[in-house]
Amino acid sequence: AQSVTQPDIHITVSEGASLELRCNYSYGATPYLFWYVQSPGQGLQLLLKYFSGDTLVQGIKGFEAEFKRSQSSFNLRKPSVHWSDAAEYFCAVEMGMEYGNKLVFGAGTILRVKS
Amino acid sequence: KAGVTQTPRYLIKTRGQQVTLSCSPISGHRSVSWYQQTPGQGLQFLFEYFSETQRNKGNFPGRFSGRQFSNSRSEMNVSTLELGDSALYLCASSLAYTAGANVLTFGAGSRLTVL
Repeated sequence: AQSVTQPDIHITVSEGASLELRCNYSYGATPYLFWYVQSPGQGLQLLLKYFSGDTLVQGIKGFEAEFKRSQSSFNLRKPSVHWSDAAEYFCAVEMGMEYGNKLVFGAGTILRVKS
Repeated sequence: KAGVTQTPRYLIKTRGQQVTLSCSPISGHRSVSWYQQTPGQGLQFLFEYFSETQRNKGNFPGRFSGRQFSNSRSEMNVSTLELGDSALYLCASSLAYTAGANVLTFGAGSRLTVL
C-alpha cells in the first residue's frame, strides 16, 4: 500500500544545532513531495516541494530537502535551528492519477528546541 | 490576498447532533480538500471538490459529506456525531485539480469537540 513514514515522533535539538527530519515513502513511481509545518492551533504551512529536476530543493525559513530516489526518501534539513522552529512537521506525498492525485501525509514529527 | 478562511474556529456539540463547517478558499482557487486531524490517526483525507464536483473521497462513513458552491466555497457536514469525531478539521485550497498542481494552502482549522 502507498504510505509515508516519518520514523521520529519527537525530536529535540539545541538552538543553533543542525536538524534532519526523515521521511520515507512507498510508491512505485516518482511522486510529488512536500514538507509542511504546523504551529500549535494553526493550519499547515508549505515549507518546500519537489516536483522534478534538482533533487536538492530550498524552502522558506532556511529549510532544504533532498530527494533520494534510491532510498525513497525526502529528508528535511536545516543547518541551524531557531527556537521559533519548534512545531510539528509533516511530509506529504502526492500519489499519481491512479490514486486520484491524493495527498498522503506522514504521521508528523514534533520538533522541540532547547535553549 | 486573503488566505483560506474556516468557520467556526471552535465548536462543541453533543453525541447525535450534526455539524456544518464552512471553508472559503483563496480567491481564484477552484479545488477544496478537507482533512481530519486527530492525535491518534494524524491527517486523514476526507474529500476533494473541484468545480462543484467531488473528485476524490477518503475512507470515511457516509455520515461525513460535503459540497462545493459555484463560488468555490465549500461546506462539510457530519451527522449523528460520535465522540470519535472530535478533531481538528482542516480545509485546504489549490488552484486546480491536476497532478503536481496540488500545492495546498491550509486554513487554520475548525476544532470540533463532541461531548
